[in-house]
Amino acid sequence: GQNIDQPTEMTATEGAIVQINCTYQTSGFNGLFWYQQHAGEAPTFLSYNVLDGLEEKGRFSSFLSRSKGYSYLLLKELQMKDSASYLCAVRDGDYKLSFGAGTTVTVRA
Amino acid sequence: ETGVTQTPRHLVMGMTNKKSLKCEQHLGHNAMYWYKQSAKKPLELMFVYNFKEQTENNSVPSRFSPECPNSSHLFLHLHTLQPEDSALYLCASSQDGTSGGETQYFGPGTRLLVL
Repeated sequence: GQNIDQPTEMTATEGAIVQINCTYQTSGFNGLFWYQQHAGEAPTFLSYNVLDGLEEKGRFSSFLSRSKGYSYLLLKELQMKDSASYLCAVRDGDYKLSFGAGTTVTVRA
Repeated sequence: ETGVTQTPRHLVMGMTNKKSLKCEQHLGHNAMYWYKQSAKKPLELMFVYNFKEQTENNSVPSRFSPECPNSSHLFLHLHTLQPEDSALYLCASSQDGTSGGETQYFGPGTRLLVL
């Protein structure tokens, strides 16, 4: 099976920056996704990386290194509403999407 | 609002009951998915349908029975479940399930408790 690892929990202060790391080992690679999931709600799409490098989208950026099997999601200027679970998901060579267990980010005032 | 709706949002059932979960997508997609999300665990893919045909059954016990009457609707029929089946059941849809960059859109889920 696929192996996707990310930290279980992270805490940061409002206005700060937090970086959520994700490492993966999959059979083939067809892209990496980050989703945000607030408690009791649907996961919502944040970003997609298939080539190495940084993708920036407002306060959120996502980075990928395929050779290292590594990605991170960077959240800048943290707001209270950013408190949520962040899911790393990798699409393998068979186009199957596998998820990590998620990182719960708590933003404190 | 992602364009994917699920009913009911919450369900409590006994182990001898039969119930069904419903998912509907209004996005014109052709692929639909059922996932199971348990606390502190990764989302587990259960079933995939492409153009109404089941293309994946991820070794799911037969007490879970999916049905896809058309590309917009997906059901999960439940019978004789076990307490360990208690979880959040998420439905998702995507364009056609074959493109690497294709995004899946999730519904809000059904929170299931089996007593």
